[in-house]
Amino acid sequence: KAGVTQTPRYLIKTRGQQVTLSCSPISGHRSVSWYQQTPGQGLQFLFEYFSETQRNKGNFPGRFSGRQFSNSRSEMNVSTLELGDSALYLCASSSGGGGISGANVLTFGAGSRLTVL
Amino acid sequence: AQTVTQSQPEMSVQEAETVTLSCTYDTSENNYYLFWYKQPPSRQMILVIRQEAYKQQNATENRFSVNFQKAAKSFSLKISDSQLGDTAMYFCAFSGTYKYIFGTGTRLKVLA
Repeated sequence: KAGVTQTPRYLIKTRGQQVTLSCSPISGHRSVSWYQQTPGQGLQFLFEYFSETQRNKGNFPGRFSGRQFSNSRSEMNVSTLELGDSALYLCASSSGGGGISGANVLTFGAGSRLTVL
Repeated sequence: AQTVTQSQPEMSVQEAETVTLSCTYDTSENNYYLFWYKQPPSRQMILVIRQEAYKQQNATENRFSVNFQKAAKSFSLKISDSQLGDTAMYFCAFSGTYKYIFGTGTRLKVLA
């Protein structure tokens, strides 16, 4: 069974550019959530999608957006990149109708490491 | 708002010894789950152990066990017989309604 796949794995952008990251969940998983990981800050929740609907959003500016397609694949987009957006962006999928609430365990991808110059 | 606090940024332990990682959390919810996830160097995050808040019995998975104190909102992880492969970042996490809240992590190094 294939795991959670994130692309690209590494990318370098300059300030002001935009970036799109992709996440393919485990087959059958309908919930996809996104996290920003930086040293000292741990994992910060960005948003969660379930059956193409955003159910919750973290405290990030509107430059961060996402969407989910009918096949459960998800993308997140960051516009007008800033130096502080440099981070490892992790995607996780989970099964069950409850999405990421309750007992559902997250299965993480390897992450997309974004460097903003 | 829910918060998760890990007050130990780094820890080290000798191989075969026991180590305890601390985690406290804050929530007003009654039904929730607590987790410990492990992120080995340059590898993917994986689940270590899970605790259901309404269960008083502490969860155990082989060498890993938790001390769950619901009233104190404390959820510590004990690793017994530490192995070199336990070297990793450990994240405590709270799962409520449609979200996961993670702590800042504890970097554990197991020394040979």
